[in-house]
Amino acid sequence: NAGVTQTPKFRVLKTGQSMTLLCAQDMNHEYMYWYRQDPGMGLRLIHYSVGEGTTAKGEVPDGYNVSRLKKQNFLLGLESAAPSQTSVYFCASRSDRDYGYTFGSGTRLTVV
Amino acid sequence: AQSVTQPDIHITVSEGASLELRCNYSYGATPYLFWYVQSPGQGLQLLLKYFSGDTLVQGIKGFEAEFKRSQSSFNLRKPSVHWSDAAEYFCAVGAVRDQFYFGTGTSLTVIP
Repeated sequence: NAGVTQTPKFRVLKTGQSMTLLCAQDMNHEYMYWYRQDPGMGLRLIHYSVGEGTTAKGEVPDGYNVSRLKKQNFLLGLESAAPSQTSVYFCASRSDRDYGYTFGSGTRLTVV
Repeated sequence: AQSVTQPDIHITVSEGASLELRCNYSYGATPYLFWYVQSPGQGLQLLLKYFSGDTLVQGIKGFEAEFKRSQSSFNLRKPSVHWSDAAEYFCAVGAVRDQFYFGTGTSLTVIP
Protein backbone atom coordinates (compact mmCIF):
# COMPACT_ATOMS: atom_id res chain seq x y z
CA ASN A 1 0.00 0.00 0.00
CA ALA A 2 2.55 2.57 -1.15
CA GLY A 3 -0.01 5.21 -2.21
CA VAL A 4 1.81 8.14 -3.79
CA THR A 5 5.60 7.95 -3.98
CA GLN A 6 7.79 10.92 -4.85
CA THR A 7 11.43 10.72 -5.85
CA PRO A 8 13.81 12.20 -4.96
CA LYS A 9 13.04 13.44 -1.44
CA PHE A 10 15.75 16.09 -1.46
CA ARG A 11 17.77 17.77 -4.18
CA VAL A 12 20.10 20.72 -4.55
CA LEU A 13 20.48 22.21 -8.02
CA LYS A 14 22.64 24.95 -9.43
CA THR A 15 20.95 27.74 -11.36
CA GLY A 16 20.42 26.65 -14.95
CA GLN A 17 20.51 22.93 -14.30
CA SER A 18 17.62 20.70 -15.24
CA MET A 19 15.91 17.90 -13.36
CA THR A 20 12.82 15.73 -13.30
CA LEU A 21 10.70 14.91 -10.29
CA LEU A 22 8.86 11.61 -10.43
CA CYS A 23 5.48 10.88 -8.92
CA ALA A 24 4.14 7.35 -8.94
CA GLN A 25 0.77 6.14 -7.62
CA ASP A 26 -0.47 2.59 -7.31
CA MET A 27 -4.16 3.32 -6.71
CA ASN A 28 -5.23 3.49 -10.37
CA HIS A 29 -6.22 7.13 -9.89
CA GLU A 30 -7.26 9.16 -12.91
CA TYR A 31 -6.30 12.60 -11.63
CA MET A 32 -2.78 13.67 -10.66
CA TYR A 33 -1.45 17.04 -9.52
CA TRP A 34 1.79 18.85 -8.84
CA TYR A 35 1.79 21.56 -6.16
CA ARG A 36 4.50 23.72 -4.70
CA GLN A 37 4.40 24.82 -1.08
CA ASP A 38 6.08 28.02 0.04
CA PRO A 39 5.94 29.65 3.48
CA GLY A 40 2.85 31.80 3.92
CA MET A 41 1.49 30.92 0.50
CA GLY A 42 -0.09 27.54 1.05
CA LEU A 43 -0.16 25.12 -1.85
CA ARG A 44 -0.22 26.41 -5.39
CA LEU A 45 -1.08 24.21 -8.33
CA ILE A 46 1.61 23.95 -11.00
CA HIS A 47 0.16 21.44 -13.47
CA TYR A 48 -2.36 18.66 -13.36
CA SER A 49 -3.60 15.72 -15.38
CA VAL A 50 -7.09 14.28 -15.72
CA GLY A 51 -5.92 11.05 -17.32
CA GLU A 52 -3.14 9.28 -19.16
CA GLY A 53 -1.75 11.39 -21.97
CA THR A 54 -3.37 14.63 -20.75
CA THR A 55 -1.91 17.62 -18.94
CA ALA A 56 -3.15 21.09 -18.07
CA LYS A 57 -1.72 24.26 -16.54
CA GLY A 58 -2.47 25.29 -13.02
CA GLU A 59 -1.93 28.54 -11.19
CA VAL A 60 1.88 28.77 -11.48
CA PRO A 61 3.03 26.76 -14.53
CA ASP A 62 5.86 28.96 -15.80
CA GLY A 63 9.28 27.29 -15.76
CA TYR A 64 7.82 23.80 -15.43
CA ASN A 65 6.76 21.05 -17.82
CA VAL A 66 4.94 17.81 -17.15
CA SER A 67 4.19 14.52 -18.81
CA ARG A 68 1.75 11.68 -18.11
CA LEU A 69 2.77 8.93 -20.49
CA LYS A 70 1.59 6.21 -18.12
CA LYS A 71 -1.45 6.41 -15.88
CA GLN A 72 0.52 5.70 -12.74
CA ASN A 73 3.30 8.23 -13.32
CA PHE A 74 3.31 12.03 -13.45
CA LEU A 75 6.65 13.72 -14.13
CA LEU A 76 7.50 17.34 -13.34
CA GLY A 77 10.43 18.85 -15.22
CA LEU A 78 12.49 21.94 -14.61
CA GLU A 79 14.40 22.76 -17.80
CA SER A 80 16.53 25.59 -16.39
CA ALA A 81 16.25 25.88 -12.62
CA ALA A 82 16.05 29.29 -10.97
CA PRO A 83 16.38 30.24 -7.27
CA SER A 84 12.67 31.19 -7.30
CA GLN A 85 11.90 27.51 -7.80
CA THR A 86 13.33 26.65 -4.38
CA SER A 87 10.33 25.06 -2.71
CA VAL A 88 8.76 21.89 -1.44
CA TYR A 89 6.95 20.05 -4.22
CA PHE A 90 4.00 17.78 -3.55
CA CYS A 91 2.34 15.35 -5.85
CA ALA A 92 -1.24 14.27 -5.25
CA SER A 93 -3.73 11.96 -6.89
CA ARG A 94 -7.42 11.16 -6.64
CA SER A 95 -9.94 8.91 -8.27
CA ASP A 96 -12.83 10.21 -10.33
CA ARG A 97 -15.27 9.13 -7.62
CA ASP A 98 -13.57 10.23 -4.40
CA TYR A 99 -12.52 13.84 -4.37
CA GLY A 100 -10.14 13.68 -1.48
CA TYR A 101 -6.52 13.84 -2.53
CA THR A 102 -3.80 11.39 -1.56
CA PHE A 103 -0.53 13.26 -1.19
CA GLY A 104 3.06 12.14 -1.50
CA SER A 105 5.57 13.03 1.21
CA GLY A 106 7.15 15.81 -0.84
CA THR A 107 10.42 16.75 -2.53
CA ARG A 108 12.48 19.54 -1.01
CA LEU A 109 14.30 21.34 -3.82
CA THR A 110 16.91 24.02 -3.31
CA VAL A 111 18.27 25.99 -6.25
CA VAL A 112 21.51 27.86 -5.55
CA ALA B 1 -12.60 34.32 -8.35
CA GLN B 2 -12.21 31.20 -6.31
CA SER B 3 -10.31 31.59 -3.07
CA VAL B 4 -9.90 30.20 0.41
CA THR B 5 -9.09 32.32 3.44
CA GLN B 6 -7.74 31.02 6.70
CA PRO B 7 -7.63 34.16 8.84
CA ASP B 8 -5.48 32.71 11.61
CA ILE B 9 -1.86 32.13 10.67
CA HIS B 10 -0.98 30.65 14.02
CA ILE B 11 -3.04 29.43 17.01
CA THR B 12 -1.86 28.26 20.41
CA VAL B 13 -4.11 26.20 22.68
CA SER B 14 -3.62 24.28 25.90
CA GLU B 15 -3.86 20.53 25.84
CA GLY B 16 -7.42 19.52 26.66
CA ALA B 17 -8.90 22.81 25.50
CA SER B 18 -11.32 23.09 22.62
CA LEU B 19 -10.21 24.19 19.17
CA GLU B 20 -11.80 26.00 16.27
CA LEU B 21 -9.94 26.79 13.06
CA ARG B 22 -11.64 29.17 10.67
CA CYS B 23 -12.03 28.81 6.92
CA ASN B 24 -13.93 31.11 4.57
CA TYR B 25 -14.23 30.55 0.87
CA SER B 26 -15.32 32.24 -2.29
CA TYR B 27 -16.56 29.92 -5.00
CA GLY B 28 -18.98 30.32 -7.87
CA ALA B 29 -20.79 27.01 -7.54
CA THR B 30 -21.65 24.61 -4.76
CA PRO B 31 -18.22 23.58 -3.57
CA TYR B 32 -16.68 20.47 -2.22
CA LEU B 33 -14.86 21.33 1.02
CA PHE B 34 -11.95 19.68 2.73
CA TRP B 35 -9.65 19.94 5.71
CA TYR B 36 -6.14 18.52 5.58
CA VAL B 37 -3.45 18.21 8.24
CA GLN B 38 0.29 18.34 7.67
CA SER B 39 2.81 17.20 10.24
CA PRO B 40 6.36 18.56 9.94
CA GLY B 41 8.22 17.07 6.99
CA GLN B 42 5.19 15.14 5.84
CA GLY B 43 2.61 15.33 3.11
CA LEU B 44 -0.98 16.36 3.70
CA GLN B 45 -3.48 13.94 5.17
CA LEU B 46 -7.22 14.26 4.62
CA LEU B 47 -9.11 14.94 7.87
CA LEU B 48 -12.63 15.27 6.51
CA LYS B 49 -14.66 16.33 3.52
CA TYR B 50 -18.07 17.77 2.73
CA PHE B 51 -19.94 17.21 -0.51
CA SER B 52 -23.62 17.53 0.38
CA GLY B 53 -26.21 16.58 2.96
CA ASP B 54 -25.70 17.02 6.69
CA THR B 55 -23.74 20.20 7.21
CA LEU B 56 -21.86 18.81 10.22
CA VAL B 57 -19.29 16.28 9.11
CA GLN B 58 -17.15 14.02 11.22
CA GLY B 59 -13.55 13.22 10.38
CA ILE B 60 -10.63 11.29 11.67
CA LYS B 61 -8.81 11.96 14.95
CA GLY B 62 -11.94 13.37 16.59
CA PHE B 63 -12.26 16.39 14.30
CA GLU B 64 -15.51 17.77 12.91
CA ALA B 65 -16.41 20.65 10.64
CA GLU B 66 -19.58 22.57 9.94
CA PHE B 67 -20.57 23.97 6.56
CA LYS B 68 -22.46 27.25 6.77
CA ARG B 69 -23.54 28.34 3.32
CA SER B 70 -24.83 31.74 4.47
CA GLN B 71 -21.42 32.58 5.90
CA SER B 72 -19.34 30.80 3.22
CA SER B 73 -17.52 29.08 6.03
CA PHE B 74 -16.28 25.60 6.85
CA ASN B 75 -14.74 25.78 10.32
CA LEU B 76 -12.87 22.89 11.86
CA ARG B 77 -13.45 21.97 15.49
CA LYS B 78 -12.22 19.57 18.12
CA PRO B 79 -13.63 19.40 21.67
CA SER B 80 -10.38 18.46 23.40
CA VAL B 81 -6.97 18.96 21.80
CA HIS B 82 -4.13 16.48 22.27
CA TRP B 83 -0.43 17.32 22.05
CA SER B 84 -0.22 15.16 18.91
CA ASP B 85 -2.62 17.54 17.13
CA ALA B 86 0.16 20.11 16.78
CA ALA B 87 0.54 20.52 13.02
CA GLU B 88 -0.43 22.75 10.13
CA TYR B 89 -4.02 22.65 8.93
CA PHE B 90 -5.22 23.49 5.45
CA CYS B 91 -8.72 24.16 4.20
CA ALA B 92 -9.46 23.45 0.53
CA VAL B 93 -12.39 24.06 -1.81
CA GLY B 94 -13.12 22.82 -5.30
CA ALA B 95 -15.48 21.05 -7.65
CA VAL B 96 -15.54 17.87 -9.68
CA ARG B 97 -14.32 19.35 -12.94
CA ASP B 98 -12.16 22.05 -11.42
CA GLN B 99 -8.94 22.21 -9.51
CA PHE B 100 -9.00 22.48 -5.75
CA TYR B 101 -7.88 25.67 -4.04
CA PHE B 102 -5.99 25.60 -0.77
CA GLY B 103 -5.82 28.17 1.98
CA THR B 104 -2.49 29.38 3.30
CA GLY B 105 -2.75 27.22 6.39
CA THR B 106 -3.06 27.61 10.15
CA SER B 107 -0.22 26.44 12.34
CA LEU B 108 -1.39 24.90 15.64
CA THR B 109 0.78 24.80 18.74
CA VAL B 110 -0.39 22.78 21.74
CA ILE B 111 1.03 23.67 25.14
CA PRO B 112 0.99 21.25 28.08
